[in-house]
Amino acid sequence: NAGVTQTPKFQVLKTGQSMTLQCAQDMNHEYMSWYRQDPGMGLRLIHYSVGAGITDQGEVPNGYNVSRSTTEDFPLRLLSAAPSQTSVYFCASSYSASGVAEAFFGQGTRLTVV
Amino acid sequence: GNSVTQMEGPVTLSEEAFLTINCTYTATGYPSLFWYVQYPGEGLQLLLKATKADDKGSNKGFEATYRKETTSFHLEKGSVQVSDSVVYFCALSSFTNFGNEKLTFGTGTRLTIIP
Repeated sequence: NAGVTQTPKFQVLKTGQSMTLQCAQDMNHEYMSWYRQDPGMGLRLIHYSVGAGITDQGEVPNGYNVSRSTTEDFPLRLLSAAPSQTSVYFCASSYSASGVAEAFFGQGTRLTVV
Repeated sequence: GNSVTQMEGPVTLSEEAFLTINCTYTATGYPSLFWYVQYPGEGLQLLLKATKADDKGSNKGFEATYRKETTSFHLEKGSVQVSDSVVYFCALSSFTNFGNEKLTFGTGTRLTIIP
């Protein structure tokens, strides 16, 4: 059981470039989300989805786009990378809309924007 | 808005010492509370949770009690081991626009146990 798979694990971008961080889960979870982790800031929610075709903004959505065409996949797009987007990105999924459900996290993508 | 404040790290203890990592929260309503751990190079993993006041979550020798009167969820372990040297995150759940719940995390506490 692969769980939550993120690709790539590492990426270096130049300012202004675009890219997509991939996230896939094989647990048939409806709820998926993207977080960024920065030193001293904990994890902050970027975007989330409650099912195919339904997404919403989290705490820090600016500069990021998401879509959810299937239950399994929830890609995160950076339209024009900026140095402020240098961070570690985590995708997470859970089987229930309720917070009592355990969130499963991917291994993360370490992104550097130069 | 909702927020989680946890003990600033890093925290360094000797093996077999008693551990407390403080966590307090601000939230409307009655959130569920969680402790997650992060191993090097890995994503977060759930350690324990509590869903209502006075509940005690426990796992792998760790415990935390949901204290509504002090809005706290402190993590404790009676005798730490070197293998407990990871980063700990306190989190709470809150409702989104769609009525489902999302997680708000604290800043994390890095724990180092010295043999």
